[in-house]
Amino acid sequence: DAGITQSPRHKVTETGTPVTLRCHQTENHRYMYWYRQDPGHGLRLIHYSYGVKDTDKGEVSDGYSVSRSKTEDFLLTLESATSSQTSVYFCAISESRLWPPEQYFGPGTRLTVT
Amino acid sequence: DAKTTQPPSMDCAEGRAANLPCNHSTISGNEYVYWYRQIHSQGPQYIIHGLKNNETNEMASLIITEDRKSSTLILPHATLRDTAVYYCIASLIIQGAQKLVFGQGTRLTINP
Repeated sequence: DAGITQSPRHKVTETGTPVTLRCHQTENHRYMYWYRQDPGHGLRLIHYSYGVKDTDKGEVSDGYSVSRSKTEDFLLTLESATSSQTSVYFCAISESRLWPPEQYFGPGTRLTVT
Repeated sequence: DAKTTQPPSMDCAEGRAANLPCNHSTISGNEYVYWYRQIHSQGPQYIIHGLKNNETNEMASLIITEDRKSSTLILPHATLRDTAVYYCIASLIIQGAQKLVFGQGTRLTINP
């Protein structure tokens, strides 16, 4: 998995609680992405980062925030989890010096909001 | 990003070539065609990409029509481990950032 880890791998939480998912890379890649995948759907982009402290919204960003204080870590936070955020979350990275870029994905985090 | 259309499912015999079609009739001149696959519930795996020319790597070949409105991913000698969902994506790259838009993909089943 190209030096990408996600933690936790599984989490069950209650509605209304805050949740933070972590993506950690050892590749020193500039770009990092968070996607979610729901049954019957392909992956959808939530947020992405193009450098430390530089982030932007994706297709389904409502209810999520992100932070990137170090190159290697990209955090996804659900401020107040809802049942609609039950999903599998994937992190991806890509290298700025490779053109065109190739994204490499982590193993995923399965989040259940009860 | 241009929309892509793929058949929902395909079957292929082990050892034969698997040919997965993709239509992207609204693709713009600077959009690349990417292919990823997802095995079970693992993270998607990059396979190959192309712009205009046909491409080949150790995993697959990508054939893009001259008008760029469609493409075919070819797995030359399919194995059981190639059973997966395959995604064709037409992707813009803006300042190095690439927002992949995944559709439903093609569920490819390799039969022994």
